[in-house]
Amino acid sequence: DAKTTQPTSMDCAEGRAANLPCNHSTISGNEYVYWYRQIHSQGPQYIIHGLKNNETNEMASLIITEDRKSSTLILPHATLRDTAVYYCIVRGRDDKIIFGKGTRLHILP
Amino acid sequence: DAGVIQSPRHEVTEMGQEVTLRCKPISGHNSLFWYRQTMMRGLELLIYFNNNVPIDDSGMPEDRFSAKMPNASFSTLKIQPSEPRDSAVYFCASSRRTDGYTFGSGTRLTVV
Repeated sequence: DAKTTQPTSMDCAEGRAANLPCNHSTISGNEYVYWYRQIHSQGPQYIIHGLKNNETNEMASLIITEDRKSSTLILPHATLRDTAVYYCIVRGRDDKIIFGKGTRLHILP
Repeated sequence: DAGVIQSPRHEVTEMGQEVTLRCKPISGHNSLFWYRQTMMRGLELLIYFNNNVPIDDSGMPEDRFSAKMPNASFSTLKIQPSEPRDSAVYFCASSRRTDGYTFGSGTRLTVV
């Protein structure tokens, strides 16, 4: 079972920051938060992951609350190509990745 | 880096026929995963391998499904006999331990 809760869908205006929330209130100390996205008709794409510190890469930023019970993925300047389903996943170090239903993000022109 | 390579991209077969899906993981990745995606059930993990050894096949739906990884650069997922309800997109992914997974482009299987 997926251990996360995400909104079913969200809209964001092109050029604005997209902030995608995720609740993972049952996360344990050795579990990571991973984010993937799936653009229509493609395989899922890894975005970013973190344990407890905030992380940033060329695609996005990941903000994890101090109690680790929730996190936010930030796409700083959303473009139409960011329209996709975004999956937030909690995973132990050697665990398999189980996908939930994700958030369908619509970028509006 | 060619990424994870899956073949064929599309497969249409008749019910009862054997279907073999193929995957070439990224060189140096020691874990390989097979997923299935349908509208109704989303992305489901079928089986995964570490260092060519099957670790968890609890997601394999039934005995008609089997997967092998004879070496580090090749894996197959076989369905025999195929049924219409097996129609789905099948993804292969590979990774190194806690790295993110890299997915292939998938095989769209249609069983008529």
